[in-house]
Amino acid sequence: GAGVSQSPSNKVTEKGKDVELRCDPISGHTALYWYRQSLGQGLEFLIYFQGNSAPDKSGLPSDRFSAERTGGSVSTLTIQRTQQEDSAVYLCASSLASQGSEKLFFGSGTQLSVL
Amino acid sequence: AQSVTQLGSHVSVSEGALVLLRCNYSSSVPPYLFWYVQYPNQGLQLLLKYTSAATLVKGINGFEAEFKKSETSFHLTKPSAHMSDAAEYFCAVRPGSARQLTFGSGTQLTVLP
Repeated sequence: GAGVSQSPSNKVTEKGKDVELRCDPISGHTALYWYRQSLGQGLEFLIYFQGNSAPDKSGLPSDRFSAERTGGSVSTLTIQRTQQEDSAVYLCASSLASQGSEKLFFGSGTQLSVL
Repeated sequence: AQSVTQLGSHVSVSEGALVLLRCNYSSSVPPYLFWYVQYPNQGLQLLLKYTSAATLVKGINGFEAEFKKSETSFHLTKPSAHMSDAAEYFCAVRPGSARQLTFGSGTQLTVLP
């Protein structure tokens, strides 16, 4: 596709349920990021994938959060036993490389609401 | 560790007036600095970036930012605001080849007619 695609665009779930958020990066982009954007907050870094290297998971807020990237392309962010404080917009971004100055291309995000 | 501070979560200017959005950073090594913009109902997009080639960086839509090492600042400016500039603006820093791109909390710009 032409850009970073995220699905679903909106997800409403009940507290305690598990959710999966999907990200399709731009073809050929080796770096993939997940961020979380909460109301009134900046973008909170969650996790980063670069090629075949071990992911940087340092931003994951708890062990309920996990992510994987299959075949160096599509990524799935999983939140287990969702809590109300998990409600936020989850943003995915990709870039050609990760050498510092490259531009990130963002998807439109998944709005997660935990009731 | 790096951090970014954006002064003013909301800024309002009149159409045609100067836009000034403030960003200060902390970094233990020379950083790469970015401004991203998020228009209503759209994804974030890069406005401009500083990569040490020049301290004054020009971006899209008439915006520019100046890297001032002595002040650890990277403020975003535009001489004359347009209604279409209304959006949320995020400053971001990445020290050297660090993996993380750290964002500020954002500044919502409102342009008044």
